[in-house]
Amino acid sequence: DQQVKQNSPSLSVQEGRISILNCDYTNSMFDYFLWYKKYPAEGPTFLISISSIKDKNEDGRFTVFLNKSAKHLSLHIVPSQPGDSAVYFCAAMVRNDYKLSFGAGTTVTVRA
Amino acid sequence: KAGVTQTPRYLIKTRGQQVTLSCSPISGHRSVSWYQQTPGQGLQFLFEYFSETQRNKGNFPGRFSGRQFSNSRSEMNVSTLELGDSALYLCASSLAVGAVQETQYFGPGTRLLVL
Repeated sequence: DQQVKQNSPSLSVQEGRISILNCDYTNSMFDYFLWYKKYPAEGPTFLISISSIKDKNEDGRFTVFLNKSAKHLSLHIVPSQPGDSAVYFCAAMVRNDYKLSFGAGTTVTVRA
Repeated sequence: KAGVTQTPRYLIKTRGQQVTLSCSPISGHRSVSWYQQTPGQGLQFLFEYFSETQRNKGNFPGRFSGRQFSNSRSEMNVSTLELGDSALYLCASSLAVGAVQETQYFGPGTRLLVL
């Protein structure tokens, strides 16, 4: 049973515009959320995270928003750059049970 | 320092066979986790090893097993392969079990194709 869902398998955005990636989860026990970025032939690399005690975390061009009541989080990339073209995975965990549950991923393509 | 390495990078097997995948963590890292990535399912947690002991396990059948050696290298074994086992298998290492997850470093993966 998929506890973390990324319902958009792909996203195409023009360079300089905002990319918004969405993620929904079903397990209300999740209290820590992460986004990973993956290029072809490479393993995922950590991008940004957020604890359930916050509703927003920002790191440079990347901002993650958490809506606990809706069990929804989103990743905003502003402005989008060609190097951002990759697969983005949303992940969630219960902090004292450190198994990560991942979404299926969203492929982002940034057009010049 | 060198990253997480996985061997082999690509593998083709037939149904019913077994396969062993290897993962060498970053030097000094003692925790190794394994994940299966398939289209549409994303990354699914298989198991985590620390100090040669399995500390956590995902919801996979007993055909999937693993072990960790005293040098922290880990192997994953899949017996009686099925077509659905075709996937990218990723290994991740971290300093300690239960480490803050952003300190988990992934290898490039082993792509397994079962015919």
